[in-house]
Amino acid sequence: GAVVSQHPSWVICKSGTSVKIECRSLDFQATTMFWYRQFPKQSLMLMATSNEGSKATYEQGVEKDKFLINHASLTLSTLTVTSAHPEDSSFYICSAIRDSPLHFGNGTRLTVT
Amino acid sequence: QKEVEQDPGPLSVPEGAIVSLNCTYSNSAFQYFMWYRQYSRKGPELLMYTYSSGNKEDGRFTAQVDKSSKYISLFIRDSQPSDSATYLCAMSGGTYKYIFGTGTRLKVLA
Repeated sequence: GAVVSQHPSWVICKSGTSVKIECRSLDFQATTMFWYRQFPKQSLMLMATSNEGSKATYEQGVEKDKFLINHASLTLSTLTVTSAHPEDSSFYICSAIRDSPLHFGNGTRLTVT
Repeated sequence: QKEVEQDPGPLSVPEGAIVSLNCTYSNSAFQYFMWYRQYSRKGPELLMYTYSSGNKEDGRFTAQVDKSSKYISLFIRDSQPSDSATYLCAMSGGTYKYIFGTGTRLKVLA
């Protein structure tokens, strides 16, 4: 149980374009979903917390206009990286929770050229 | 001082060895303690989840929490090459906001 699916697993895009990443909880309804960013050999950095039907809460220093989060249902959250630049290249991981603990998706490796 | 300290390694051990991974923390409000395993280019996978102090065992894995010392451990018995991964400790005070360690890279040599 507690499977979180993330898609795509890898994406390459050109600078200036937008990329959408999907996160789905497959076998449970997630009360809250989270988006993390991870740099090589570093830990997870929380970007934002989202609840179904409400605006996401962004961590300090995370540009909400660049990283758009939509939480359309209890099983789906999307992260859109708008006007992507090479510095946005990173590993993005979503997680979902109903009670406890956190369960993670398999991550999306974004490369912006 | 970071809220959670974890030795980044790498830690190399021979196959069959007992592995000890540790984290220390400074926030006495933490009540929930987790260990995640992360393979390269994959998301973290939950290994152990414990509440408050004590031990928890699951197969070859044992998690220990010592709240008085603010110290948690993960032991892996009979380590296998497939255990080679990065191990992240995480903790929370009961909210959804988890604090993660930096992760320890483990290599189990065949």
